[in-house]
Amino acid sequence: SQQGEEDPQALSIQEGENATMNCSYKTSINNLQWYRQNSGRGLVHLILIRSNEREKHSGRLRVTLDTSKKSSSLLITASRAADTASYFCATAGYSGGGADGLTFGKGTHLIIQP
Amino acid sequence: EPEVTQTPSHQVTQMGQEVILRCVPISNHLYFYWYRQILGQKVEFLVSFYNNEISEKSEIFDDQFSVERPDGSNFTLKIRSTKLEDSAMYFCASSDYPRGYNEQFFGPGTRLTVL
Repeated sequence: SQQGEEDPQALSIQEGENATMNCSYKTSINNLQWYRQNSGRGLVHLILIRSNEREKHSGRLRVTLDTSKKSSSLLITASRAADTASYFCATAGYSGGGADGLTFGKGTHLIIQP
Repeated sequence: EPEVTQTPSHQVTQMGQEVILRCVPISNHLYFYWYRQILGQKVEFLVSFYNNEISEKSEIFDDQFSVERPDGSNFTLKIRSTKLEDSAMYFCASSDYPRGYNEQFFGPGTRLTVL
């Protein structure tokens, strides 16, 4: 698998339920970021978790990071129809000098059924 | 709230033509990026830019591509001779810290269609 692979690729749940998406990566990272993309639109930054953090919360979002397993999860609680979107994890790695780009996964397409 | 803006939102061009995509990063940011997303595929890093020079570029960013910060606010991506496979959504991003250490804020994207 490639850096920043999410699963499942697609997830359909009922409004009000919780949605969990997972991300795996291969190399050492500085941090991991989650983004949301509504169909055909731009990327909205959701949350950043650093390599020395294990869990982070932001509103209805909870992100965990397990660097030993090179994996992260994004939990959206009490889902709403407006949460329907694609969710991507993106990793920022270490390298010498300069401004590194993020490496994105293929994303999880989340559908919230009303 | 500050945001990254991009123009145009949609650009249609003929194969072989030059296009310039424009971005205005967040004003106090110093690190700028271009990414692209081919329809249905993952977002791919193209290039990063700091202090008026390229910091890092991917293998996608070949001699057909160039970036420039022509003034204090704009950041541009030029594709010299477009190919059909250049059709994609192009995103500009900016950050206040290098190496992806902090959040990268993305613009709404420019959809490039090459005919």
